[in-house]
Amino acid sequence: NAGVTQTPKFQVLKTGQSMTLQCAQDMNHNSMYWYRQDPGMGLRLIYYSASEGTTDKGEVPNGYNVSRLNKREFSLRLESAAPSQTSVYFCASSEQIYEQYFGPGTRLTVT
Amino acid sequence: AQSVTQLDSQVPVFEEAPVELRCNYSSSVSVYLFWYVQYPNQGLQLLLKYLSGSTLVKGINGFEAEFNKSQTSFHLRKPSVHISDTAEYFCAVSDLNQAGTALIFGKGTTLSVSS
Repeated sequence: NAGVTQTPKFQVLKTGQSMTLQCAQDMNHNSMYWYRQDPGMGLRLIYYSASEGTTDKGEVPNGYNVSRLNKREFSLRLESAAPSQTSVYFCASSEQIYEQYFGPGTRLTVT
Repeated sequence: AQSVTQLDSQVPVFEEAPVELRCNYSSSVSVYLFWYVQYPNQGLQLLLKYLSGSTLVKGINGFEAEFNKSQTSFHLRKPSVHISDTAEYFCAVSDLNQAGTALIFGKGTTLSVSS
């Protein structure tokens, strides 16, 4: 039982490049989330998916897109990376409004 | 909209001293409350949660928290801390009146335990 897995663990991009962050969970949870964590800002919600087939914007969605591929997988795409998107990205899953389970994070640097 | 305030951004303490990390949330009729811990270079791990019932909630690693509805607070306490408790702690709330939304997190409190 791996819980929530994220790939890659680290990534360096140049401004304007694109990439997709992958997330998968094996707990059969309906809801999945993408957060970014920046120093002094806590965790800010980028997008979430309350159930398979639905996605909604969070607090900071600009510059990102998401895909809920199936119940297990929820990917986050940066179409044209900017230095302001340098951050640590966490994926999480939950059963409705209960506690969330987090992945280990992806450290992204955009130069 | 729901919001969470963690009143201290940094809390330095000596080993074996007691500690309290403070958390307030904006008023709501029904909420679920959580404390998460993040050790350096790791993801977040659930410490404890309040869903209903007793207002004193016990979690892992000797931590406990008390839900106070009148003061809209959910402070985290430990009677005697260890060096290994050094980490960042996040308070989070789930508003039951806003179904389908994610947890709202505070900005975090860095607990630094020294010998």
